[in-house]
Amino acid sequence: QVQLVESGGGLVKPGGSLRLSCAVSRFTFSDYYMSWIRQAPGKGLEWVSYISGSGTTMYYADSVKGRFTISRDNSKNSLYLQMNSLRADDTAVYYCARDRGFHDYWGQGTLVTVSS
Amino acid sequence: EIVLTQSPGTLSLSPGERATLSCRASQSVSSSYFAWYQQKPGQAPRLLIYDASSRATGIPDRFSGSGSGTEFTLTISRLEPEDFAVYYCQHYGSSPQVTFGQGTRLEIK
Repeated sequence: QVQLVESGGGLVKPGGSLRLSCAVSRFTFSDYYMSWIRQAPGKGLEWVSYISGSGTTMYYADSVKGRFTISRDNSKNSLYLQMNSLRADDTAVYYCARDRGFHDYWGQGTLVTVSS
Repeated sequence: EIVLTQSPGTLSLSPGERATLSCRASQSVSSSYFAWYQQKPGQAPRLLIYDASSRATGIPDRFSGSGSGTEFTLTISRLEPEDFAVYYCQHYGSSPQVTFGQGTRLEIK
């Protein structure tokens, strides 16, 4: 059974930083693009970023460009999201998902709260 | 950027009824690159349909997807109690950016 497990969420002050991790298992991690998708409380889904299997190609939503950095370590079957200059509107549950254009497997999500 | 608009915002139906959920794209898109997801409270989204009409692994055949151009539809032929949830559409493939619709809430009447 494919598994994706996010960690690293928490409470952070505006302007602060946080690094999310996503540990995956039971598929060949390096073969797949991976995405981060977030959901603000009571709101819909917002794609944040994706990265190619090799880690050489990344794209970001305009709302996070220049502040967030996606990366991966294929030797550790892990995906990361470094979030800097956090704002209140970054408050959301952050999901990692396997990306085939569509997203066929998702983690359970990790909550990031940006508040003073 | 392609904008996806889902309708209705909320759909109230009874178990056993047929549900038709719509997603309209702001410009014509390749019908091959359209997905639907189901999300229940406190859970991650679950992929239902990809490539506009292909059911994901383990999805019952009461769920079907169709459409082309700017109009796409998710149909649930006969609602079961566990189908009441929020549904999202997604387009992929035409640009680096990924877009989701705002969601349709399917509630028990």
